[in-house]
Amino acid sequence: EDKVVQSPLSLVVHEGDTVTLNCSYEVTNFRSLLWYKQEKKAPTFLFMLTSSGIEKKSGRLSSILDKKELFSILNITATQTGDSAVYLCAFPDNYGQNFVFGPGTRLSVLP
Amino acid sequence: DAGVIQSPRHEVTEMGQEVTLRCKPISGHDYLFWYRQTMMRGLELLIYFNNNVPIDDSGMPEDRFSAKMPNASFSTLKIQPSEPRDSAVYFCASSKLENEQFFGPGTRLTVL
Repeated sequence: EDKVVQSPLSLVVHEGDTVTLNCSYEVTNFRSLLWYKQEKKAPTFLFMLTSSGIEKKSGRLSSILDKKELFSILNITATQTGDSAVYLCAFPDNYGQNFVFGPGTRLSVLP
Repeated sequence: DAGVIQSPRHEVTEMGQEVTLRCKPISGHDYLFWYRQTMMRGLELLIYFNNNVPIDDSGMPEDRFSAKMPNASFSTLKIQPSEPRDSAVYFCASSKLENEQFFGPGTRLTVL
């Protein structure tokens, strides 16, 4: 059964800190891994990762995939209060019918 | 459960035509989301419903787009008139909780 595990489930930091969020997965037919940020509304897309070792960056956020060890990390440097959200990783399941989402990491950035 | 069902899976139409995309969410889910995905912009939330009521349509690009959810098991996204820049994959997703969504297979729309 395809599954994804995220850690930590919850994290509280202060502005300016750097955080690393983890996502490990088991999937029969790996296609891609996606990271989403969710605030009060639905998730917003952050990154799609398909190849190992290639870092994706967007401003203070970056992510990398290790297909051998079956995990991905999401880094946020110089965190801001606006980074407070639930960060979800997800991937299309074996049949491509649904996205399998992890439980999310709830990040709280305090001023 | 069959998961989120979308139809059609592919749609090719000409500019100016009306397009209607359909979605059947997972039974028992309270939230329904419409997303648009393109290579350039990734996955964008267009609108979402909670208990059939539109909650946030700020992502709807313009008046040519409209969405309805007449009951808990059906929603439509309509584009009238369609334009080539509307070409994308349109996903419908549903969830029981706000932060856990199940996506449908998507409708690939091509507007010529």
